[in-house]
Amino acid sequence: EAGVAQSPRYKIIEKRQSVAFWCNPISGHATLYWYQQILGQGPKLLIQFQNNGVVDDSQLPKDRFSAERLKGVDSTLKIQPAKLEDSAVYLCASSPRGFGGTYEQYFGPGTRLTVT
Amino acid sequence: DAKTTQPNSMESNEEEPVHLPCNHSTISGTDYIHWYRQLPSQGPEYVIHGLTSNVNNRMASLAIAEDRKSSTLILHRATLRDAAVYYCILRRLIQGAQKLVFGQGTRLTINP
Repeated sequence: EAGVAQSPRYKIIEKRQSVAFWCNPISGHATLYWYQQILGQGPKLLIQFQNNGVVDDSQLPKDRFSAERLKGVDSTLKIQPAKLEDSAVYLCASSPRGFGGTYEQYFGPGTRLTVT
Repeated sequence: DAKTTQPNSMESNEEEPVHLPCNHSTISGTDYIHWYRQLPSQGPEYVIHGLTSNVNNRMASLAIAEDRKSSTLILHRATLRDAAVYYCILRRLIQGAQKLVFGQGTRLTINP
């Protein structure tokens, strides 16, 4: 079974530029998550999708971050404009379902973003 | 968010058992205890989860205290590949949706 795919793996941009990350979850997984992991900390949930609908985006800085999951499969996370404090690893995860029970989350390798 | 407390770091020797503790005194009756680990430069990977009873799988065992306010992840025979950050997480349902809140975790070092 193919895992969660993310691209790019690394990205360096200057502050105030924009950047986009792409995630392809495991086939058939209904729930998709985007996490931000700052160096030395645990991952922090940014947004959770159930199919193509948003379940939880309470920690997404909506003035600069946006995410979409068209057709309930692939997802993109965008930052515009980027700030220095956005330097982090952005992790995508998926799970078979996100409701009503407890399920493993499968994580991708992440995209390491450096904002200079 | 439900809080867990773990030691910042632990060290063990290869081929010896490792016991990673976790305190979760504010756990509620419907919270599952999940463990994930993160190897260097990789995303987290699922290890094990449980609700009330002790659990075993091919990777580890999870021992849950009778009052559920603490748990211990047991690696029966550590290898160098087990060096990672281990996260103990309480899974909550927020409006029916599963939510994991990661803390700082325990950085496990395995000595050859």
